[in-house]
Amino acid sequence: KAGVTQTPRYLIKTRGQQVTLSCSPISGHRSVSWYQQTPGQGLQFLFEYFSETQRNKGNFPGRFSGRQFSNSRSEMNVSTLELGDSALYLCASNQGALQETQYFGPGTRLLVL
Amino acid sequence: QQQVKQSPQSLIVQKGGISIINCAYENTAFDYFPWYQQFPGKGPALLIAIRPDVSEKKEGRFTISFNKSAKQFSLHIMDSQPGDSATYFCAASKASGSARQLTFGSGTQLTVLP
Repeated sequence: KAGVTQTPRYLIKTRGQQVTLSCSPISGHRSVSWYQQTPGQGLQFLFEYFSETQRNKGNFPGRFSGRQFSNSRSEMNVSTLELGDSALYLCASNQGALQETQYFGPGTRLLVL
Repeated sequence: QQQVKQSPQSLIVQKGGISIINCAYENTAFDYFPWYQQFPGKGPALLIAIRPDVSEKKEGRFTISFNKSAKQFSLHIMDSQPGDSATYFCAASKASGSARQLTFGSGTQLTVLP
């Protein structure tokens, strides 16, 4: 089975712009979670989607949003980018239904200038 | 509020030595404790995990020790190898409604010297 894929792998944006990141989960996985990883804050949970519905949300401002499509692929959007949004954004999938093991993609590295 | 505290921040071990990374948690609702390994440029990969009804779990050179009363758990890497050099994250998971949510420790950068 192919693993979790994320596109693009690298992205450079300027302050005030918006960005959309994409995640394709492992085939058959219906749950997708997003995490932000920074040297200072570590790995922080953004939100989780299951069957096109957001089930959980972390403590991030409303500029961070996401969605999930009927094929379980997910996108996350960050509007009005700030310098502090520079991070590695990780997507993880699992089969859902309270399955514990999450499988991570390689991440999208976002640099905001 | 940091719910999972991890130490040390960095660790240097000689090849063949034992690497020990410790974590402590606060929320007794956590019921699943995985460890992830992350190499540069890669996403975290599940290494080993334990549930609180077990005090120890071993998989190859990797062992988790779990102390429920102290709310602490640790990863032991026996016979550490240079290929084990990576960042290790402990995590704790609990059910949140109909889903599970992972809370990560701050990570430990392990360097194994040849």
